[in-house]
Amino acid sequence: EAQVTQNPRYLITVTGKKLTVTCSQNMNHEYMSWYRQDPGLGLRQIYYSMNVEVTDKGDVPEGYKVSRKEKRNFPLILESPSPNQTSLYFCASRPGRAMNTEAFFGQGTRLTVV
Amino acid sequence: GENVEQHPSTLSVQEGDSAVIKCTYSDSASNYFPWYKQELGKRPQLIIDIRSNVGEKKDQRIAVTLNKTAKHFSLHITETQPEDSAVYFCAVGGSARQLTFGSGTQLTVLP
Repeated sequence: EAQVTQNPRYLITVTGKKLTVTCSQNMNHEYMSWYRQDPGLGLRQIYYSMNVEVTDKGDVPEGYKVSRKEKRNFPLILESPSPNQTSLYFCASRPGRAMNTEAFFGQGTRLTVV
Repeated sequence: GENVEQHPSTLSVQEGDSAVIKCTYSDSASNYFPWYKQELGKRPQLIIDIRSNVGEKKDQRIAVTLNKTAKHFSLHITETQPEDSAVYFCAVGGSARQLTFGSGTQLTVLP
């Protein structure tokens, strides 16, 4: 089954404790991205990657890191999480490099930083 | 970068009535305009999209219209049903190859 898989689904952590949210897709998509969803703000892009070893900042990259060592994986790293990073996170992938293709979302990761 | 504005933020309609959600965007080079539906606790999923060489697209009870000159596009849902209740997001495929999303509309269909 074609899918985007995120882990974990839920995470509660403490301020400053490094964490990684994994994202994997099995559709051979070149384009992957991370969004955070906050009430009233919609989906805001954190980072995106157009292919292996190519990553770029989105609209809200501060406090986050990503890597794209393999085509299928695109982990999101919070080196020192803070309470303002409490949010619902979605990974998404898209085929090809064109801008007019459907985004497929993972199931989401609800992160709470206390 | 691209700026996408979506209105209204909440919308309540009676079952069977129509619902319209509107979005405006800023980058005239954008050429892809999808709409996503997010049910409670679920991931966003594409329900319909339109590309800039088309002015209108319809799929059963849902339709999207695009006005490139005015840089706005709309989602129309006719004969609404309770299962249409969800958050709807518009998005724009811009020149930076990103998808920029609107802030979302909570649609409630009242029985």
